[in-house]
Amino acid sequence: IAGITQAPTSQILAAGRRMTLRCTQDMRHNAMYWYRQDLGLGLRLIHYSNTAGTTGKGEVPDGYSVSRANTDDFPLTLASAVPSQTSVYFCASSDSGDRGADTQYFGPGTRLTVL
Amino acid sequence: GQNIDQPTEMTATEGAIVQINCTYQTSGFNGLFWYQQHAGEAPTFLSYNVLDGLEEKGRFSSFLSRSKGYSYLLLKELQMKDSASYLCAVTDSNYQLIWGAGTKLIIKP
Repeated sequence: IAGITQAPTSQILAAGRRMTLRCTQDMRHNAMYWYRQDLGLGLRLIHYSNTAGTTGKGEVPDGYSVSRANTDDFPLTLASAVPSQTSVYFCASSDSGDRGADTQYFGPGTRLTVL
Repeated sequence: GQNIDQPTEMTATEGAIVQINCTYQTSGFNGLFWYQQHAGEAPTFLSYNVLDGLEEKGRFSSFLSRSKGYSYLLLKELQMKDSASYLCAVTDSNYQLIWGAGTKLIIKP
């Protein structure tokens, strides 16, 4: 593994189903982030984690949850998917979260469609 | 509120120069990033400015004026592979990145 990986690459999901998007980084970065990207709106932060064991809410956290049990993994869960959660989801990481303005490195993204 | 403004779309000719502007209003400032995003791909880092002035990196340069809340990305000797979206993002006082919606750059032969 080099950098950040996300799985699945794409998914079609029925409304009401539970879904977990996976994200793994091998750069030993402290901070990790989940964004959604919708046409014309740019990247919007869902949840973040400045270090293993801590998480925080971003701009659009409703309907999503995260956990950070270790440095490498940062899964994003949709408890009961709704069509408005159709989007492209990017995971990112940076060396420091609240301790500096570091470059964020992005995974390849997951394209999620909720029907 | 916090706001990042950049043009939605720009068109330029191969071999030419293009300037993509970004204006921002944020609670605090701890740096400004430019990212490039090709269609269907992830954003990738281009440049970072925290002090006023011009940062040059090959064909790409980025300028910052903190007093004006303004930045631009200058692309020289445009190539077809430069067709992409260019995202401006500002780190606020809480070190959270605030993203602009991006500028789609179309390069014509």
